[in-house]
Amino acid sequence: GQNIDQPTEMTATEGAIVQINCTYQTSGFNGLFWYQQHAGEAPTFLSYNVLDGLEEKGRFSSFLSRSKGYSYLLLKELQMKDSASYLCAVMDSNYQLIWGAGTKLIIKP
Amino acid sequence: NAGVTQTPKFRVLKTGQSMTLLCAQDMNHEYMYWYRQDPGMGLRLIHYSVGEGTTAKGEVPDGYNVSRLKKQNFLLGLESAAPSQTSVYFCASRRQGADTGELFFGEGSRLTVL
Repeated sequence: GQNIDQPTEMTATEGAIVQINCTYQTSGFNGLFWYQQHAGEAPTFLSYNVLDGLEEKGRFSSFLSRSKGYSYLLLKELQMKDSASYLCAVMDSNYQLIWGAGTKLIIKP
Repeated sequence: NAGVTQTPKFRVLKTGQSMTLLCAQDMNHEYMYWYRQDPGMGLRLIHYSVGEGTTAKGEVPDGYNVSRLKKQNFLLGLESAAPSQTSVYFCASRRQGADTGELFFGEGSRLTVL
């Protein structure tokens, strides 16, 4: 079966750095996505990785290792507005997205 | 641009009632999707469409039907609502062949079935 695993909840301090991990087992791989979802709102796109390595976009970076079935999202200089759920999703061989349950990130002052 | 618009935003139904959720996108996207999101679970694909006049089943299609008569609209129907269909429903769209596969989501429709 296909499976995406990520921690249920994480807590971090404002101004700090946090890393959210995602491991996956899917039938085929056509890219890994990170989305941010604030409570009561729709998910919004953060990043896309299809090749191994690090993609940096401002305070957010995403890393992929296809051989390990592993990705992480790195958030730097945390702000209170970063409190949200972070969803990991993998596009499988049928070009369908398989979603993790999401990681709820709580930022404390 | 409005992007992806869902109506209604909220609805309460009694068991056995029927209803239709409407999704409209103004980005000329080929692909459209209906997901449901439940606490502690990932987004689950109900049905999707890769173009006008086409639909396909996703992971959890039972109890739902869909239609894509116009490219910009994707309708999700519940013929006989059940309490297990209480959920938040999201519509999403993306370009055909988009190498990033980025999905654009509607704001969600919160459905409660009593």
